[in-house]
Amino acid sequence: QVQLQESGPGLVKPSQTLSLTCTVSGGSISSGGYYWSWIRQHPGKGLEWIGYIYYSGSTYYNPSLKSRVTISVDTSKNQFSLKLSSVTAADTAVYHCARDKDGSSGSFHYWGQGTLVTVSS
Amino acid sequence: DIQMTQSPSSLSASVGDRVTITCRASQSISSYLNWYQQKPGKAPKLLIYAASSLQSGVPSRFSGSGSATDFTLTISSLQPEDFATYYCQQSYSTLYTFGQGTKLEIK
Repeated sequence: QVQLQESGPGLVKPSQTLSLTCTVSGGSISSGGYYWSWIRQHPGKGLEWIGYIYYSGSTYYNPSLKSRVTISVDTSKNQFSLKLSSVTAADTAVYHCARDKDGSSGSFHYWGQGTLVTVSS
Repeated sequence: DIQMTQSPSSLSASVGDRVTITCRASQSISSYLNWYQQKPGKAPKLLIYAASSLQSGVPSRFSGSGSATDFTLTISSLQPEDFATYYCQQSYSTLYTFGQGTKLEIK
């Protein structure tokens, strides 16, 4: 059973960079075939897909965040990471990492429990 | 972006009721439509993928239908554990987008 766990600071100051890591267990990122995503949920609101990475390092980002987002992968640690620069209060959200179901359907089968990141001075 | 619009935004129902939630896409997405259930403080759970395929382990009272722009999620007989928020999501475009959610509450 694949499990994902987010980690990182819960409080980030405005204009700084938000950094989160997703640690994967029960499956190997380097085995390929799946896309590893970051998805966020503003408090009491809906879901926003941020972007994904493939084990090879290829990425695709939501154009609305593209100028501020970097997603990277460390296959040796079985982790992938999110960096979001120049944050504002609007970036306060629960951030989830997720894996798609089968590499083709675009549905998210495995999710981390999510971590709340608050942007505040 | 492909906009996903769910209706209703909230719904009150009783245990045993049949419930239908609708999701409309701003353009045709073929059958690239997925449904999720989310309970407070938890991650979303995949229920239906590719519009009508039931995810393994999901009770058969959940079903999905539709294609192109109009989709429905149906719960045939509501159980107490089904009271949650439901989201649709399109995966036709790699810029994945979600509906705003439908909160299903106990009447």
